[in-house]
Amino acid sequence: DTAVSQTPKYLVTQMGNDKSIKCEQNLGHDTMYWYKQDSKKFLKIMFSYNNKELIINETVPNRFSPKSPDKAHLNLHINSLELGDSAVYFCASSRREIAGYTGELFFGEGSRLTVL
Amino acid sequence: GESVGLHLPTLSVQEGDNSIINCAYSNSASDYFIWYKQESGKGPQFIIDIRSNMDKRQGQRVTVLLNKTVKHLSLQIAATQPGDSAVYFCAETFQGAQKLVFGQGTRLTINP
Repeated sequence: DTAVSQTPKYLVTQMGNDKSIKCEQNLGHDTMYWYKQDSKKFLKIMFSYNNKELIINETVPNRFSPKSPDKAHLNLHINSLELGDSAVYFCASSRREIAGYTGELFFGEGSRLTVL
Repeated sequence: GESVGLHLPTLSVQEGDNSIINCAYSNSASDYFIWYKQESGKGPQFIIDIRSNMDKRQGQRVTVLLNKTVKHLSLQIAATQPGDSAVYFCAETFQGAQKLVFGQGTRLTINP
Protein backbone atom coordinates (compact mmCIF):
# COMPACT_ATOMS: atom_id res chain seq x y z
CA ASP A 1 0.00 0.00 0.00
CA THR A 2 2.37 2.70 -1.24
CA ALA A 3 1.21 6.09 0.00
CA VAL A 4 2.96 8.22 -2.63
CA SER A 5 3.99 6.39 -5.77
CA GLN A 6 5.83 7.76 -8.74
CA THR A 7 6.76 6.25 -12.07
CA PRO A 8 9.13 5.61 -13.61
CA LYS A 9 11.78 5.05 -10.95
CA TYR A 10 14.56 5.41 -13.51
CA LEU A 11 14.60 7.35 -16.74
CA VAL A 12 17.53 7.62 -19.16
CA THR A 13 17.08 9.78 -22.20
CA GLN A 14 18.87 11.95 -24.75
CA MET A 15 19.15 15.73 -24.68
CA GLY A 16 16.29 17.41 -26.46
CA ASN A 17 13.74 14.71 -25.71
CA ASP A 18 10.49 15.20 -23.83
CA LYS A 19 9.62 13.01 -20.85
CA SER A 20 6.98 12.71 -18.15
CA ILE A 21 6.97 11.51 -14.56
CA LYS A 22 3.71 10.51 -12.92
CA CYS A 23 2.76 10.71 -9.25
CA GLU A 24 -0.21 9.44 -7.31
CA GLN A 25 -1.03 9.60 -3.61
CA ASN A 26 -3.65 7.55 -1.80
CA LEU A 27 -3.48 9.49 1.48
CA GLY A 28 -6.39 11.78 0.71
CA HIS A 29 -4.12 14.82 0.92
CA ASP A 30 -5.03 18.12 -0.65
CA THR A 31 -1.56 19.36 -1.48
CA MET A 32 1.09 17.81 -3.72
CA TYR A 33 4.62 18.89 -4.56
CA TRP A 34 7.53 18.28 -6.86
CA TYR A 35 11.02 18.59 -5.42
CA LYS A 36 14.31 18.26 -7.30
CA GLN A 37 17.34 16.67 -5.60
CA ASP A 38 20.71 17.33 -7.22
CA SER A 39 23.88 15.28 -7.08
CA LYS A 40 24.86 16.92 -3.79
CA LYS A 41 21.55 15.81 -2.25
CA PHE A 42 20.18 19.34 -2.10
CA LEU A 43 16.37 19.27 -2.14
CA LYS A 44 14.64 22.21 -3.74
CA ILE A 45 10.94 22.73 -4.24
CA MET A 46 9.75 23.18 -7.81
CA PHE A 47 5.96 23.25 -7.67
CA SER A 48 3.08 22.76 -5.31
CA TYR A 49 -0.59 22.22 -6.05
CA ASN A 50 -3.54 22.47 -3.71
CA ASN A 51 -6.72 20.82 -4.92
CA LYS A 52 -5.51 20.94 -8.54
CA GLU A 53 -4.60 24.62 -8.27
CA LEU A 54 -0.99 25.75 -8.73
CA ILE A 55 0.22 27.40 -5.53
CA ILE A 56 3.98 27.57 -5.94
CA ASN A 57 6.19 27.81 -9.01
CA GLU A 58 9.74 28.34 -7.82
CA THR A 59 11.17 30.05 -10.92
CA VAL A 60 11.35 26.76 -12.73
CA PRO A 61 12.01 27.00 -16.49
CA ASN A 62 8.82 26.77 -18.50
CA ARG A 63 10.15 23.58 -20.08
CA PHE A 64 8.76 22.01 -16.90
CA SER A 65 4.99 21.78 -16.87
CA PRO A 66 3.15 20.17 -13.98
CA LYS A 67 -0.38 18.91 -14.43
CA SER A 68 -2.84 17.89 -11.74
CA PRO A 69 -5.89 16.12 -13.21
CA ASP A 70 -7.28 15.60 -9.71
CA LYS A 71 -6.02 16.11 -6.20
CA ALA A 72 -4.58 12.60 -6.01
CA HIS A 73 -2.35 13.01 -9.05
CA LEU A 74 0.42 15.41 -9.97
CA ASN A 75 2.42 14.72 -13.10
CA LEU A 76 5.54 16.46 -14.34
CA HIS A 77 6.28 16.90 -18.03
CA ILE A 78 9.66 18.13 -19.17
CA ASN A 79 10.29 19.41 -22.69
CA SER A 80 13.61 19.71 -24.50
CA LEU A 81 15.62 17.99 -21.80
CA GLU A 82 19.02 19.41 -20.93
CA LEU A 83 22.03 17.86 -19.22
CA GLY A 84 21.38 19.97 -16.14
CA ASP A 85 17.98 18.39 -15.71
CA SER A 86 19.66 15.19 -14.54
CA ALA A 87 18.56 14.73 -10.95
CA VAL A 88 16.21 12.77 -8.73
CA TYR A 89 12.70 14.18 -8.78
CA PHE A 90 10.55 13.61 -5.72
CA CYS A 91 6.82 13.88 -5.48
CA ALA A 92 5.32 14.59 -2.07
CA SER A 93 1.95 15.28 -0.52
CA SER A 94 0.63 16.83 2.66
CA ARG A 95 -2.65 17.52 4.39
CA ARG A 96 -4.35 20.85 4.07
CA GLU A 97 -2.40 23.38 6.05
CA ILE A 98 -3.21 23.41 9.73
CA ALA A 99 -3.31 26.91 11.21
CA GLY A 100 -1.48 28.14 8.14
CA TYR A 101 1.45 25.73 8.39
CA THR A 102 2.55 23.24 5.80
CA GLY A 103 1.85 19.82 7.22
CA GLU A 104 4.21 16.86 7.28
CA LEU A 105 5.37 15.95 3.80
CA PHE A 106 5.09 12.35 2.64
CA PHE A 107 7.55 11.63 -0.16
CA GLY A 108 7.59 9.11 -2.96
CA GLU A 109 10.69 7.07 -3.63
CA GLY A 110 11.94 9.37 -6.35
CA SER A 111 12.46 9.21 -10.09
CA ARG A 112 16.09 9.34 -11.19
CA LEU A 113 16.38 11.16 -14.50
CA THR A 114 19.62 10.90 -16.46
CA VAL A 115 20.02 13.06 -19.55
CA LEU A 116 22.80 11.99 -21.92
CA GLY B 1 17.57 34.72 0.34
CA GLU B 2 16.32 31.63 2.08
CA SER B 3 18.87 29.17 3.27
CA VAL B 4 19.07 26.36 5.74
CA GLY B 5 22.61 25.15 6.14
CA LEU B 6 24.47 22.46 7.97
CA HIS B 7 27.82 22.64 9.71
CA LEU B 8 29.03 19.19 8.63
CA PRO B 9 28.22 17.36 5.43
CA THR B 10 29.35 13.97 6.85
CA LEU B 11 29.37 12.46 10.29
CA SER B 12 30.82 9.09 11.34
CA VAL B 13 30.01 7.58 14.71
CA GLN B 14 30.60 4.31 16.46
CA GLU B 15 27.64 2.02 16.84
CA GLY B 16 26.10 2.59 20.23
CA ASP B 17 27.37 6.15 20.57
CA ASN B 18 25.14 9.20 20.44
CA SER B 19 25.00 11.26 17.24
CA ILE B 20 24.46 14.99 17.01
CA ILE B 21 23.57 16.56 13.69
CA ASN B 22 23.51 20.33 13.51
CA CYS B 23 21.65 22.81 11.34
CA ALA B 24 21.80 26.58 11.01
CA TYR B 25 18.98 28.58 9.46
CA SER B 26 18.92 32.18 8.35
CA ASN B 27 15.23 33.05 7.94
CA SER B 28 14.15 34.81 11.11
CA ALA B 29 10.53 34.33 10.10
CA SER B 30 10.82 30.55 10.32
CA ASP B 31 9.02 29.15 13.33
CA TYR B 32 8.47 25.51 12.52
CA PHE B 33 11.29 23.06 11.93
CA ILE B 34 11.35 19.45 10.85
CA TRP B 35 14.01 16.77 10.61
CA TYR B 36 13.87 14.23 7.80
CA LYS B 37 15.81 11.01 7.25
CA GLN B 38 16.60 9.80 3.75
CA GLU B 39 17.86 6.26 3.31
CA SER B 40 19.65 5.24 0.15
CA GLY B 41 17.29 4.95 -2.81
CA LYS B 42 14.29 6.25 -0.87
CA GLY B 43 12.45 9.47 -0.30
CA PRO B 44 12.89 11.56 2.86
CA GLN B 45 10.88 10.45 5.88
CA PHE B 46 9.66 12.61 8.74
CA ILE B 47 11.50 12.05 12.03
CA ILE B 48 10.50 14.81 14.41
CA ASP B 49 9.39 18.42 14.39
CA ILE B 50 9.54 21.39 16.72
CA ARG B 51 7.80 24.74 16.88
CA SER B 52 9.51 27.94 17.89
CA ASN B 53 7.65 28.12 21.21
CA MET B 54 9.67 25.10 22.33
CA ASP B 55 13.39 24.60 23.00
CA LYS B 56 13.40 20.85 23.07
CA ARG B 57 11.30 17.97 21.91
CA GLN B 58 11.89 14.28 22.41
CA GLY B 59 10.86 11.28 20.39
CA GLN B 60 11.90 7.68 20.40
CA ARG B 61 15.73 7.80 20.63
CA VAL B 62 15.73 11.24 19.04
CA THR B 63 15.75 14.71 20.52
CA VAL B 64 15.56 18.00 18.68
CA LEU B 65 16.94 21.16 20.27
CA LEU B 66 16.14 24.64 19.02
CA ASN B 67 18.12 27.78 19.83
CA LYS B 68 16.30 30.70 18.28
CA THR B 69 18.84 33.22 19.52
CA VAL B 70 21.54 31.85 17.24
CA LYS B 71 19.17 30.30 14.71
CA HIS B 72 20.41 26.79 15.30
CA LEU B 73 18.82 23.43 15.73
CA SER B 74 20.22 19.99 16.31
CA LEU B 75 19.10 16.40 16.10
CA GLN B 76 20.42 14.01 18.70
CA ILE B 77 20.17 10.29 18.12
CA ALA B 78 20.78 8.11 21.16
CA ALA B 79 22.58 4.77 20.93
CA THR B 80 23.12 5.00 17.18
CA GLN B 81 22.34 1.81 15.28
CA PRO B 82 23.32 0.63 11.79
CA GLY B 83 19.77 1.38 10.64
CA ASP B 84 20.37 5.04 11.42
CA SER B 85 22.76 5.31 8.47
CA ALA B 86 21.19 7.85 6.15
CA VAL B 87 21.25 11.47 5.04
CA TYR B 88 19.52 13.77 7.52
CA PHE B 89 17.89 17.02 6.51
CA CYS B 90 16.56 19.88 8.52
CA ALA B 91 13.71 21.86 6.97
CA GLU B 92 12.06 25.11 7.94
CA THR B 93 8.82 26.88 7.28
CA PHE B 94 6.57 29.58 8.68
CA GLN B 95 2.89 30.34 8.76
CA GLY B 96 1.61 30.91 5.26
CA ALA B 97 4.86 29.86 3.56
CA GLN B 98 3.11 26.93 1.86
CA LYS B 99 6.41 25.09 1.48
CA LEU B 100 9.31 23.52 3.33
CA VAL B 101 12.84 24.78 2.69
CA PHE B 102 15.40 22.03 3.11
CA GLY B 103 18.99 22.29 4.26
CA GLN B 104 21.92 20.64 2.50
CA GLY B 105 21.86 17.36 4.40
CA THR B 106 24.33 15.45 6.60
CA ARG B 107 25.35 11.91 5.77
CA LEU B 108 25.54 9.81 8.92
CA THR B 109 27.63 6.65 8.75
CA ILE B 110 27.88 4.09 11.52
CA ASN B 111 31.14 2.31 12.28
CA PRO B 112 30.79 -1.19 13.72
